[in-house]
Amino acid sequence: DVKVTQSSRYLVKRTGEKVFLECVQDMDHENMFWYRQDPGLGLRLIYFSYDVKMKEKGDIPEGYSVSREKKERFSLILESASTNQTSMYLCASAQFVRSSPLHFGNGTRLTVT
Amino acid sequence: GENVEQHPSTLSVQEGDSAVIKCTYSDSASNYFPWYKQELGKGPQLIIDIRSNVGEKKDQRIAVTLNKTAKHFSLHITETQPEDSAVYFCAASINNDMRFGAGTRLTVKP
Repeated sequence: DVKVTQSSRYLVKRTGEKVFLECVQDMDHENMFWYRQDPGLGLRLIYFSYDVKMKEKGDIPEGYSVSREKKERFSLILESASTNQTSMYLCASAQFVRSSPLHFGNGTRLTVT
Repeated sequence: GENVEQHPSTLSVQEGDSAVIKCTYSDSASNYFPWYKQELGKGPQLIIDIRSNVGEKKDQRIAVTLNKTAKHFSLHITETQPEDSAVYFCAASINNDMRFGAGTRLTVKP
């Protein structure tokens, strides 16, 4: 079974702080994703990576950056956290980019005060 | 880009009844349609998926139907049980772009 592990379940940060959300997958998947989940909006893609050191912007990349130094690890970075980034963040991995199921972690609920 | 609409946003059924959730998509080139179930405190988990060359797929109590002409697909859950209570998301995918519906909160009353 694929396991996607997000390092924190809950995080509380202050406005302006730099925030790191970490995600690790154990199935040697090439592709990893960061989504944001908000009520009534479904899941929106922030960034994805199809290889080490490769990244592409999703629908809502503003205010975020990512890092993929190793195949199994994909980090989401909030350079300067703002209150409108309070949300649930979901990491996922997939074997193929095309027509392939996503395997999600259990999410990190981030609150920015 | 692709746009996915999902209805209803909430659905309440009696245990043993059927539940149907419907989604429409905009891009006729979409070729992969997964459904995810998200239980409280967990990430979404794939429960069933269908590809554009198939019209229907079943897995025990759940089934998905796809109408490519009308660009809609549906999730059917029969003989619902309290443990089916969760939020369900549909998605449509073209190439590396997977778009999600807004979700349906299903409540199964015992």
